[in-house]
Amino acid sequence: EDQVTQSPEALRLQEGESSSLNCSYTVSGLRGLFWYRQDPGKGPEFLFTLYSAGEEKEKERLKATLTKKESFLHITAPKPEDSATYLCAGIDSWGKLQFGAGTQVVVTP
Amino acid sequence: SAVISQKPSRDICQRGTSLTIQCQVDSQVTMMFWYRQQPGQSLTLIATANQGSEATYESGFVIDKFPISRPNLTFSTLTVSNMSPEDSSIYLCSVTLGDRGSYEQYFGPGTRLTVT
Repeated sequence: EDQVTQSPEALRLQEGESSSLNCSYTVSGLRGLFWYRQDPGKGPEFLFTLYSAGEEKEKERLKATLTKKESFLHITAPKPEDSATYLCAGIDSWGKLQFGAGTQVVVTP
Repeated sequence: SAVISQKPSRDICQRGTSLTIQCQVDSQVTMMFWYRQQPGQSLTLIATANQGSEATYESGFVIDKFPISRPNLTFSTLTVSNMSPEDSSIYLCSVTLGDRGSYEQYFGPGTRLTVT
């Protein structure tokens, strides 16, 4: 059965304290791995797509990496505006997204 | 990317009534999706709506409860029928630009539904 698991469920960071979020997946015919950011009361905002093991993508303080079994979202020197829920999703051979439960990140000044 | 709008942004409805949610995209797309996000939960796919064909529903979702229309390449509606408090959720539409060689999905702002 397809499954996407994110850890930790919640993460509290001091401003400037770097950390990583984990996404492990078992998705049949995986075509890609997506990362989204979701603010309260809003729809998910697209961040990255990773298609093959070894691939890395960066955007400001965020860097996403992919291996054959998991993906990491690294947050470097976070700021309070990075506080959000980060969602990981695998897209299968039918084009359907399987979402993880998300990691809620709070960055305090 | 794509710019997606949804109407209404939120609503409070009584048990037993129905609500139709609209999704408008700023460009023509083949594939549109409807998701539900229950309080404190992640997103669950309800159905895939491709223009020119019947919507395809995921396990646990049926057409009588969640009828979908897809009249053209920029618009879709989802109706939540005969609502109960368990239907209180955020409903989101998304589109993929896969017909342009990308699998990226972009989401609308969501419709927050409360059923009393």
